[in-house]
Amino acid sequence: DAGVTQSPTHLIKTRGQQVTLRCSPKSGHDTVSWYQQALGQGPQFIFQYYEEEERQRGNFPDRFSGHQFPNYSSELNVNALLLGDSALYLCASSLDRGHDEQYFGPGTRLTVT
Amino acid sequence: GESVGLHLPTLSVQEGDNSIINCAYSNSASDYFIWYKQESGKGPQFIIDIRSNMDKRQGQRVTVLLNKTVKHLSLQIAATQPGDSAVYFCAENNRIRDDKIIFGKGTRLHILP
Repeated sequence: DAGVTQSPTHLIKTRGQQVTLRCSPKSGHDTVSWYQQALGQGPQFIFQYYEEEERQRGNFPDRFSGHQFPNYSSELNVNALLLGDSALYLCASSLDRGHDEQYFGPGTRLTVT
Repeated sequence: GESVGLHLPTLSVQEGDNSIINCAYSNSASDYFIWYKQESGKGPQFIIDIRSNMDKRQGQRVTVLLNKTVKHLSLQIAATQPGDSAVYFCAENNRIRDDKIIFGKGTRLHILP
């Protein structure tokens, strides 16, 4: 049984560009949450998707958007990239809107130059 | 604002000794707490959780203690092993309000041979 998978593993972008990160949840999970983890810091909650809708959102600008597909996989989109967007982006999946244990993927390392 | 903090950024422990990692939280409304372990290049891994109606919970080699009076959380690891080397995060959640998990900054556990 595959756990949470994310792609790509690493990504390098230039300021002002747009990026899309992808996440496949653990089998049987219906909820996906996205986190940003800056170097040396704890993960910061970006938003959560359940039933293809954004249910919760953290303190992130509208440049951060997402989508959840009928198969529960999810995408995180970031527009107009800033140097400060460089971080590890983590996806976590769970069952029942996060009221169950969250399983994290390995993350996508985004570097903005 | 909401925050979860840790007292020590780095903890060095002799192999075989017990480790105690501490955490202070500021949101008295939080009712669910989780400890995560994050190894280099990986996403956070669930270790153990505790609800606010409990003050102690034990797992395999790990114990979490919760003191709501002083808003303090600790993780005890018995007979620390080299594989325990990682960054440990405490996290909090108010499950009545939302599903956002708020992470602290982390403590790096270093095992001495």
